[in-house]
Amino acid sequence: KQEVTQIPAALSVPEGENLVLNCSFTDSAIYNLQWFRQDPGKGLTSLLLIQSSQREQTSGRLNASLDKSSGRSTLYIAASQPGDSATYLCAVLNQAGTALIFGKGTTLSVSS
Amino acid sequence: GAVVSQHPSRVICKSGTSVKIECRSLDFQATTMFWYRQFPKQSLMLMATSNEGSKATYEQGVEKDKFLINHASLTLSTLTVTSAHPEDSSFYICSARDSGRDTYGYTFGSGTRLTVV
Repeated sequence: KQEVTQIPAALSVPEGENLVLNCSFTDSAIYNLQWFRQDPGKGLTSLLLIQSSQREQTSGRLNASLDKSSGRSTLYIAASQPGDSATYLCAVLNQAGTALIFGKGTTLSVSS
Repeated sequence: GAVVSQHPSRVICKSGTSVKIECRSLDFQATTMFWYRQFPKQSLMLMATSNEGSKATYEQGVEKDKFLINHASLTLSTLTVTSAHPEDSSFYICSARDSGRDTYGYTFGSGTRLTVV
């Protein structure tokens, strides 16, 4: 059974720092991996989608990498801003499945 | 990009009543939609997979008679919480994937905060 783990559970940094959020999954037979952002009491906003054949995806200050063989993905946020404060969720889609499987998320707080 | 609309965003109901939550794909057709439940500071837990024109597939431990799912069209799925109790209070989110645009992945609605009093 696929399990997704995110480390750390919470992270507090001053504005301007570069930071890395980690995601690991137990079954490497995935179709793709998706990073989401969730603000308190809100739905999910898709940040980056990495297909299983890809190594990384970039969008603005965000860069996500995928190492399928080792079951790991990282989300790199450059020059963090207070507006980046949110919970970041990692989710994988199994090759044999249809629904996303989520980690518990990393709650990020960026102070000004 | 693909857009999913979910209503209502917030609802308070009395114990014993039923509540219906709607999930619509606005600019694409979705033969399959997904319903998740999220407890405070917890991950999203898949409740059921909603299939257009057929019965929903429920995850283990989810009561299908309490959480009624109807997917009558390619753009609308509804989740009805029947005979709600305070323990059903939670954040419910729906999701769909535009299979015609694989690069978008899954899109989520804005969620519904249900409070049963």
